[in-house]
Amino acid sequence: QSALTQPRSVSGSPGQSVTISCTGTSSDVGEFSYVSWFQQHPGKVPKLMIYDVNKRPSGVPGRFSGSKSGNTASLTISGLQAEDEADYYCCVYTGSYTYVLFGGGTKLTVL
Amino acid sequence: QVQLVESGGGLVKPGGSLRLSCATSGFIFTDFYMGWIRQAPGKGLEWLSYISNSGSTIYYADSVRGRFTISRDTAKNSLYLQMNSLRAEDTAVYYCARVSPIPDHWGQGALVTVSS
Repeated sequence: QSALTQPRSVSGSPGQSVTISCTGTSSDVGEFSYVSWFQQHPGKVPKLMIYDVNKRPSGVPGRFSGSKSGNTASLTISGLQAEDEADYYCCVYTGSYTYVLFGGGTKLTVL
Repeated sequence: QVQLVESGGGLVKPGGSLRLSCATSGFIFTDFYMGWIRQAPGKGLEWLSYISNSGSTIYYADSVRGRFTISRDTAKNSLYLQMNSLRAEDTAVYYCARVSPIPDHWGQGALVTVSS
């Protein structure tokens, strides 16, 4: 199975909203509700921001939200803040032998 | 709280071997699949391997199949990755993770550098 497709980069100004897409297939993103998003700052461990498509772990700001339509999942960050600048990775459960797939990552720049 | 702590990283020559360990605590180890993920310098996350909670199901990415072996020790609540025939392209930070069914808790990472 191929990795999930994410845009290589997105950008936005403080206070704006940005959306990062994650496109898979009907066998992974389209079939299961186990879509998650990770935030990674340089040199840091990836942090779980969204799981099960749209659920936030305790401590993750409400500015982060997730959704899914068909074979594409999305992470939306509203009210952008400077500390949101990071790499973001989507991750889905495939239900197959590989079990998990990662997206290629998206670099978010806060202008 | 859930904790995963990797150890065993370091510098190794091409063709050499290394064994990573991941000590876990804060959850019932036998209830969860466990996995290894790596990240080469400046690159994205690569799902390498997982082992089912019973140890009966194991997966390896094509890039490491036949060279790496994942295992778990329920008595020690620990996960392992035996890495043989290491190549320069295996240079990366290696993370262990609890899988439920996505990697929801990660260790701090262990740096493996393969260089002569």
